[in-house]
Amino acid sequence: SQELEQSPQSLIVQEGKNLTINCTSSKTLYGLYWYKQKYGEGLIFLMMLQKGGEEKSHEKITAKLDEKKQQSSLHITASQPSHAGIYLCGAALTGTASKLTFGTGTRLQVTL
Amino acid sequence: GAVVSQHPSRVICKSGTSVKIECRSLDFQATTMFWYRQFPKQSLMLMATSNEGSKATYEQGVEKDKFLINHASLTLSTLTVTSAHPEDSSFYICRAIAGGGNEQFFGPGTRLTVL
Repeated sequence: SQELEQSPQSLIVQEGKNLTINCTSSKTLYGLYWYKQKYGEGLIFLMMLQKGGEEKSHEKITAKLDEKKQQSSLHITASQPSHAGIYLCGAALTGTASKLTFGTGTRLQVTL
Repeated sequence: GAVVSQHPSRVICKSGTSVKIECRSLDFQATTMFWYRQFPKQSLMLMATSNEGSKATYEQGVEKDKFLINHASLTLSTLTVTSAHPEDSSFYICRAIAGGGNEQFFGPGTRLTVL
């Protein structure tokens, strides 16, 4: 089974709508990273969370890590076509913080 | 900011040939580099961990004799896909760790197509 589950797997939203992507693990997340990827291209770093309860925002994107450090959410406010892509969460599931395991990915489409 | 490059960005080869993919850290020393592969519409799967000057550590199910990894310097790691087959066609991405491990950077990826 996948160690990091993302939901939903895909999402189609109308421009201007808000959306949330979740990343869940049965293990403690020692470091949680959110990335965006255009298909066939490299990963764009969005945010990194380490502390339980931590929340970070950048432009219209907010990421949170729950107190138990087993779930993270990525929230996009007033989505735009430029937000379309694949969102991946990556986490250190062991004490080796540099070794990341990636979630299953969420494909986001934003319609006009 | 720090940059990681990969070369080539795209490669098409015939079945049975070997292909070498380079991952370079351009302005920092990377003691550790990770190699991932990504199939269409799927997530990144870790293949191996490459440490400078030592043998790579492969994930379960990854054939070390097929995917040769060399980390000869602090700025270069190479992944060689030996005797490539069509099922090896994939998107290969490297990730380099800088400093104490808190900084990490992905390469832009290499798309391999084996005919």
